[in-house]
Amino acid sequence: DAKTTQPPSMDCAEGRAANLPCNHSTISGNEYVYWYRQIHSQGPQYIIHGLKNNETNEMASLIITEDRKSSTLILPHATLRDTAVYYCIVKAAGNKLTFGGGTRVLVKP
Amino acid sequence: DSGVTQTPKHLITATGQRVTLRCSPRSGDLSVYWYQQSLDQGLQFLIQYYNGEERAKGNILERFSAQQFPDLHSELNLSSLELGDSALYFCASSVATNRRGGGETQYFGPGTRLLVL
Repeated sequence: DAKTTQPPSMDCAEGRAANLPCNHSTISGNEYVYWYRQIHSQGPQYIIHGLKNNETNEMASLIITEDRKSSTLILPHATLRDTAVYYCIVKAAGNKLTFGGGTRVLVKP
Repeated sequence: DSGVTQTPKHLITATGQRVTLRCSPRSGDLSVYWYQQSLDQGLQFLIQYYNGEERAKGNILERFSAQQFPDLHSELNLSSLELGDSALYFCASSVATNRRGGGETQYFGPGTRLLVL
């Protein structure tokens, strides 16, 4: 599975959009980009995933560059409850999720 | 609520003992995955089962074993416990196997916190 690189931490103001970057320059054609988050030792929570096209659901939007070497997770209106560690994972047909260090996001009032 | 349940929520035991962690996948999911999260290692994949059969193995110690039963629930058995086995153990489930490629989504349970004294 391709490796991902994320900033270790970032702050965000409550009510503003949070843009979380992820680099995955070695991604191959059949690998998906997944985003999960973990709030203080709870089970990781699925957010969104995509292959090539941009995706949006009730939680977030995922923007994938045309060359697929990077992506951005967008939380449109961050709330205090969005404070968590966010993991960007590239997953191929092997099924397991390989978690890196993630980005620790702190939403401030 | 992901629909994946895990019991017990907390477990305290002594070194050398054996424990069993239980996971019930979401209704309809055939695949079950086990992950370990310790302070110094992050989230690590241990093992995957699909419809009762072992499908993939990760960094699982020989002292650990798992199985998936006909009703699709899974158990993770940890034996000869050591202090370093203290961790959060998560179970996740998904519908498909790797034959569908990377597109199926894994949903995680709330975890079991194991403390070995």
